[in-house]
Amino acid sequence: DADVTQTPRNRITKTGKRIMLECSQTKGHDRMYWYRQDPGLGLQLIYYSFDVKDINKGEISDGYSVSRQAQAKFSLSLESAIPNQTALYFCATGFGETQYFGPGTRLLVL
Amino acid sequence: SQKIEQNSEALNIQEGKTATLTCNYTNYSPAYLQWYRQDPGRGPVFLLLIRENEKEKRKERLKVTFDTTLKQSLFHITASQPADSATYLCAAPSRAGNNRKLIWGLGTSLAVNP
Repeated sequence: DADVTQTPRNRITKTGKRIMLECSQTKGHDRMYWYRQDPGLGLQLIYYSFDVKDINKGEISDGYSVSRQAQAKFSLSLESAIPNQTALYFCATGFGETQYFGPGTRLLVL
Repeated sequence: SQKIEQNSEALNIQEGKTATLTCNYTNYSPAYLQWYRQDPGRGPVFLLLIRENEKEKRKERLKVTFDTTLKQSLFHITASQPADSATYLCAAPSRAGNNRKLIWGLGTSLAVNP
């Protein structure tokens, strides 16, 4: 089984809808991250969490919110999706200096 | 602001040759640099980490160097194979977030031709 899993893997939604992307990990790591990746823009940090009670905004948090339900679960919500949130979204865990990524969720907002 | 820059031009090389990718950092001195591999539509995978006091690190066919004078890391793949074709990302710790956030280069796409 994969150490970091993301659901769904692909999602199509409409402008204005609220959606949630979920991330689970079996690595036992305290640190978790949400990134988005767009062609030509690289990985941009949306939110990160160093433990269950610690949530921090990244560079591009506007329009997003997160919930750290447990050490193993970190969810990303788009409150009211807009087309420019179409991107590939990655969850990652962190241990030491290294980050471990999930397989990604491809989101299309129409 | 802190920046990590990689050559955005895709690199095409012949199988068996050595691929060399460049990562430059500006406006700060990171304690270490990391290299990740990313295949299309997949998450990055950690390859190697090199610290500022290390000149070179090797892992199988991979070699990374860290030159604090040039503010640069080079990533080499020797005896390259078509399976090495991927995008390679350089990352370094951000000064913010207790160094537990990374800032990322845009990546360099490598194509190894048989």
